[in-house]
Amino acid sequence: SYEVIQPPSLSVSPGQTASITCSGDKLGEKYACWYQQKAGQPPVLVIYQDTKRPSGIPERFSGSNSGNTATLTISGTHAMDEADYYCQAWDSNTVVFGGGTKLTVL
Amino acid sequence: QLQLQESGPGLVKPSETLSLTCSVSGGSISSSGYHWDWIRQPPGKGLEWIGSINYSGSTYYQPSLRSRVTVSVDTSKNQFSLKLGSVTAADTAVYYCARREGVWFPSWGQGTLVTVSS
Repeated sequence: SYEVIQPPSLSVSPGQTASITCSGDKLGEKYACWYQQKAGQPPVLVIYQDTKRPSGIPERFSGSNSGNTATLTISGTHAMDEADYYCQAWDSNTVVFGGGTKLTVL
Repeated sequence: QLQLQESGPGLVKPSETLSLTCSVSGGSISSSGYHWDWIRQPPGKGLEWIGSINYSGSTYYQPSLRSRVTVSVDTSKNQFSLKLGSVTAADTAVYYCARREGVWFPSWGQGTLVTVSS
């Protein structure tokens, strides 16, 4: 079955750029999307169709997807961006989530 | 604005069947182009997709759960449901319902914790 792999954790200083990767076989040939999840809350879609931002998501969130890797980039990271981030793809009529990356802003 | 709300027992005994319902408001479950999905998250762990149903009743399931899962829809009540049979402690999780547009999920319920324990 298809898998996408994320690093378990990432630390970044406020104001710096955070780049969270998601790796999978020929992932660039599929659509990738990203969710932000804070404790006790449902996930929130922050990037869909590789690069698009839903209404209400700040411009500092951006995405790319090429080859075997999709990347979520948060430019000028804020303390409020500290959360778990999940990538998600679709393969063979199934939804596939990455294991999640815990982003710490300190 | 679309809203989804999960409901059902918070405690299920091992070997029994977990049953949850998702009530949809602010939109019709019969609208074409959408799928209605169930996703779960064990405590402290990541997201796991369970399965989905679309407006025409076509279903798709996580292969590892397929033998135990049924997702159904009740258009008269604007609801869809999840049944997961033969549960064990490993099925303890927060269960979310969500609407899928294409391959992404812009709309989620708040989630409901289901504990499997005797």
